[in-house]
Amino acid sequence: EAGVAQSPRYKIIEKRQSVAFWCNPISGHATLYWYQQILGQGPKLLIQFQNNGVVDDSQLPKDRFSAERLKGVDSTLKIQPAKLEDSAVYLCASSSNIGVSGNEQFFGPGTRLTVL
Amino acid sequence: GENVEQHPSTLSVQEGDSAVIKCTYSDSASNYFPWYKQELGKGPQLIIDIRSNVGEKKDQRIAVTLNKTAKHFSLHITETQPEDSAVYFCAAPPSGSARQLTFGSGTQLTVLP
Repeated sequence: EAGVAQSPRYKIIEKRQSVAFWCNPISGHATLYWYQQILGQGPKLLIQFQNNGVVDDSQLPKDRFSAERLKGVDSTLKIQPAKLEDSAVYLCASSSNIGVSGNEQFFGPGTRLTVL
Repeated sequence: GENVEQHPSTLSVQEGDSAVIKCTYSDSASNYFPWYKQELGKGPQLIIDIRSNVGEKKDQRIAVTLNKTAKHFSLHITETQPEDSAVYFCAAPPSGSARQLTFGSGTQLTVLP
């Protein structure tokens, strides 16, 4: 089966510019996650979707970050305007929520964002 | 929320030796403990997990042990190989979460040939 796809793989922008990341989860996976991974740290959850609804966005900086999953499949994460501290890898993950193995989260390769 | 602490942050072993990485968690209600491996330029990948109804689980050269009383769990890799070199993360679910995970800070494992 195809894995989680993300694009772009790398992005360099100036501070105060905007940027968008795209994620296509594994087919049939109802839950989609966006994580921020700062260099040398573990992934930190930004937002969790169940189908096209938001389950938890308590750690999403809503003044500058937004995310959507309109049709319950693909998702986009946007930052506007970007700050220097937003430099990180943005990971997308999905899970099936079916059965005992439904907890497993499958990660995409990530988008490495550098804000100058 | 859940607090997951992981150590050591770096670990170097000789090829063929064993490696042990330890994690502690704060929420006694947590019942699922996965370990992920992240290679350079890739996303984390699940390598083994354990649920709170068992104390140990093995899969070939890797094993995970869980001590619910002490609220800690460990990853054991035996007969290490150069391809085991990567960053390893433990994780645990925050209480009341809907299939969420809080990750540890990671351990950079280097297997020296």
